[in-house]
Amino acid sequence: KNQVEQSPQSLIILEGKNCTLQCNYTVSPFSNLRWYKQDTGRGPVSLTIMTFSENTKSNGRYTATLDADTKQSSLHITASQLSDSASYICVVRAYGNNRLAFGKGNQVVVIP
Amino acid sequence: GAVVSQHPSWVICKSGTSVKIECRSLDFQATTMFWYRQFPKQSLMLMATSNEGSKATYEQGVEKDKFLINHASLTLSTLTVTSAHPEDSSFYICSAVSVPMEETQYFGPGTRLLVL
Repeated sequence: KNQVEQSPQSLIILEGKNCTLQCNYTVSPFSNLRWYKQDTGRGPVSLTIMTFSENTKSNGRYTATLDADTKQSSLHITASQLSDSASYICVVRAYGNNRLAFGKGNQVVVIP
Repeated sequence: GAVVSQHPSWVICKSGTSVKIECRSLDFQATTMFWYRQFPKQSLMLMATSNEGSKATYEQGVEKDKFLINHASLTLSTLTVTSAHPEDSSFYICSAVSVPMEETQYFGPGTRLLVL
């Protein structure tokens, strides 16, 4: 079973609307959690990073939350734009090593 | 942020040939580089960890003789897919860190490999 599960697998939203992506993980001990945006055919680009003590982190229209007790994170996209169409990947790092656990990504399609 | 480049961005080759993919850190020295493979709608899967000047560490199930990794300098790592087969067709992504155990891995833009 994957250590990082994301939902929904894919979604379509209208331009200007908001959406929330979910990430559940089992990685332990926990070091940090990142959300990446991956455009089709491109490498991942970091959006936010949160450590154990951080509950929320914003980067422009992207807001990530973290509940380290329940091992859940979310990424909220506000006022979506066509350029937000991408895969959003939740990545969790275990404490003490460089190993990263990747989710399969949430595929977001923004339509006009 | 730090910039990592890959070359080529895409490659098409015949079955049985070898393909070399380069990963370069453009504005920092990368002590460690990672090679990932990503199939459509799947997670990035770590293939190997490459440390400058030493042998790469391969993940379980990854054939080291098929996926040759060389990290000869602090700014360049290469992945050579030897005797490529259609099932090797995938998206190959590298990442780099400037110091061991650094928090941030900087990802390259990826290389799309299609083996006919």
